[in-house]
Amino acid sequence: EAGVAQSPRYKIIEKRQSVAFWCNPISGHATLYWYQQILGQGPKLLIQFQNNGVVDDSQLPKDRFSAERLKGVDSTLKIQPAKLEDSAVYLCASSLDGASNTEAFFGQGTRLTVV
Amino acid sequence: GQNIDQPTEMTATEGAIVQINCTYQTSGFNGLFWYQQHAGEAPTFLSYNVLDGLEEKGRFSSFLSRSKGYSYLLLKELQMKDSASYLCAVFGNDYKLSFGAGTTVTVRA
Repeated sequence: EAGVAQSPRYKIIEKRQSVAFWCNPISGHATLYWYQQILGQGPKLLIQFQNNGVVDDSQLPKDRFSAERLKGVDSTLKIQPAKLEDSAVYLCASSLDGASNTEAFFGQGTRLTVV
Repeated sequence: GQNIDQPTEMTATEGAIVQINCTYQTSGFNGLFWYQQHAGEAPTFLSYNVLDGLEEKGRFSSFLSRSKGYSYLLLKELQMKDSASYLCAVFGNDYKLSFGAGTTVTVRA
């Protein structure tokens, strides 16, 4: 079974530039999560999708971050414009059904460095 | 909201036992997960508890007390490869999976 795929693995941008991350969840998984993990901290949930609908985006900085999950499969997370404090690993995870407490599987993450 | 606390760091000797505690205060509870994360890698699932008691899986065991808002992960017969960060995560009534800051375990020879 293929895992959660993310790209790119690494990205370096200057502040005020824009960047986009892509995630392809495990086939058949209805729930998709985007987490931000700053070095030395636990993952922080940015947004959670159930199929192509948003379940929770309360911690997404909507003035600069946006995410979509068209057709309920792949998802993209965008930052525009980026700030220095956005430097982190962005993890995508998926689970079979977020309402039935099934485990979440994580991708390798995208390490973003904003300079 | 969710408040999940766990110690920042723990050190133990190869072959020993280490217990990582996690306390949580949440607006709802639908289960608790433990994940392992090696440096530079993605978190991987270790265990899931939704009922009180101990779940054993090889060298790793996880315990839950819902009335106390408390869980622990027990690592037995420690090996060098167990050096990693261990993340406690709570699945709330709002179906959000929220993580603690993680406990870095260092295993020494």
